[in-house]
Amino acid sequence: TQLLEQSPQFLSIQEGENLTVYCNSSSVFSSLQWYRQEPGEGPVLLVTVVTGGEVKKLKRLTFQFGDARKDSSLHITAAQPGDTGLYLCAGLSGTYKYIFGTGTRLKVLA
Amino acid sequence: SAVISQKPSRDICQRGTSLTIQCQVDSQVTMMFWYRQQPGQSLTLIATANQGSEATYESGFVIDKFPISRPNLTFSTLTVSNMSPEDSSIYLCSVGAGATGELFFGEGSRLTVL
Repeated sequence: TQLLEQSPQFLSIQEGENLTVYCNSSSVFSSLQWYRQEPGEGPVLLVTVVTGGEVKKLKRLTFQFGDARKDSSLHITAAQPGDTGLYLCAGLSGTYKYIFGTGTRLKVLA
Repeated sequence: SAVISQKPSRDICQRGTSLTIQCQVDSQVTMMFWYRQQPGQSLTLIATANQGSEATYESGFVIDKFPISRPNLTFSTLTVSNMSPEDSSIYLCSVGAGATGELFFGEGSRLTVL
């Protein structure tokens, strides 16, 4: 069974701080995605990483895919209250099925 | 992109009853996915619904408990049968974007079973 463990599970920080969320697995994934989910809504895609070692930047968010394609990280610089939400990584299993990570619930305090 | 509408958005149900959740997509898609999100948890795939064939269920989920219909390329239903409080969850419908691999989700149906 493929599992994606995220850490930390919960994170509460002050506005302006930096943070990193980790997504780890013992399985290799052909691609990995990061989603953010806000209360009462479905998850929304932030980024897809495909190549081992790949780094993608989306404004204050930096995503990295591990060289072995088993792990990934999400780094947020100068967090803002609008970053509050549930962050989920998801690995592509097979050709069409995504396995979601355990989730990291982030709260940024003003 | 895809716009997905789910109904109902929320419901409170009695133990032992069944509830059917509808999912409507604004474009034709081959595969639709049903996920469960238990309180405070991540998403677990229930099944993949293909038009014209039986749904494919993940380990731990069975057709008798979660029957799925897929009558055409834009619509699907998930029924939660003989509900118990343990079925209290958010149920999410999702479709993939093909080339980009992005998943689009409905807003979810929040079920509370008393």
